[in-house]
Amino acid sequence: QKEVEQNSGPLSVPEGAIASLNCTYSDRGSQSFFWYRQYSGKSPELIMFIYSNGDKEDGRFTAQLNKASQYVSLLIRDSQPSDSATYLCAARTGGFKTIFGAGTRLFVKA
Amino acid sequence: DTAVSQTPKYLVTQMGNDKSIKCEQNLGHDTMYWYKQDSKKFLKIMFSYNNKELIINETVPNRFSPKSPDKAHLNLHINSLELGDSAVYFCASSRDYRYEQYFGPGTRLTVT
Repeated sequence: QKEVEQNSGPLSVPEGAIASLNCTYSDRGSQSFFWYRQYSGKSPELIMFIYSNGDKEDGRFTAQLNKASQYVSLLIRDSQPSDSATYLCAARTGGFKTIFGAGTRLFVKA
Repeated sequence: DTAVSQTPKYLVTQMGNDKSIKCEQNLGHDTMYWYKQDSKKFLKIMFSYNNKELIINETVPNRFSPKSPDKAHLNLHINSLELGDSAVYFCASSRDYRYEQYFGPGTRLTVT
């Protein structure tokens, strides 16, 4: 069973802090990794994707990938109350499928 | 100029009825998907089409049948609706199966 695991949270951080969201995946053949943000009652919205080991930065967001440890993370710098949402980690397996984690709820306190 | 659109947004129906949800994308993508998100917010793949060819067919009841008339459209027909079918159904598309997916607004199905 190929899985993507996330801590369900909620993860609570004060405004302006760094939020760190983590994800592990079981399929070593996974090729591509994605982070989506989902506000309550809305559809998932792509934040970042990462294909290679290391860090990838986009504005306040940094995705980190470590294929040896089968670990993906998302750092949100200068967290804002508007970042409060559920963050979904996803991994594309060696085949056609993208597997989603159950999501981590983030709460940023003003 | 919505990228991925779904109709209807809300669907309330009784057990035993048959209903359809429609999805259209104007992104020129080759691959389209149907996902089910249950009350625990877990997003589960149901079907995927690549250039009108079925490439993912997960273990879902055969009451669910996808149809892709062309690569911009993917519809989902559900026969004999059951209470457990109540969920939010999301359509998504991607350039091809290797790339990031873009989601439609979702269809909230309630079966009473």
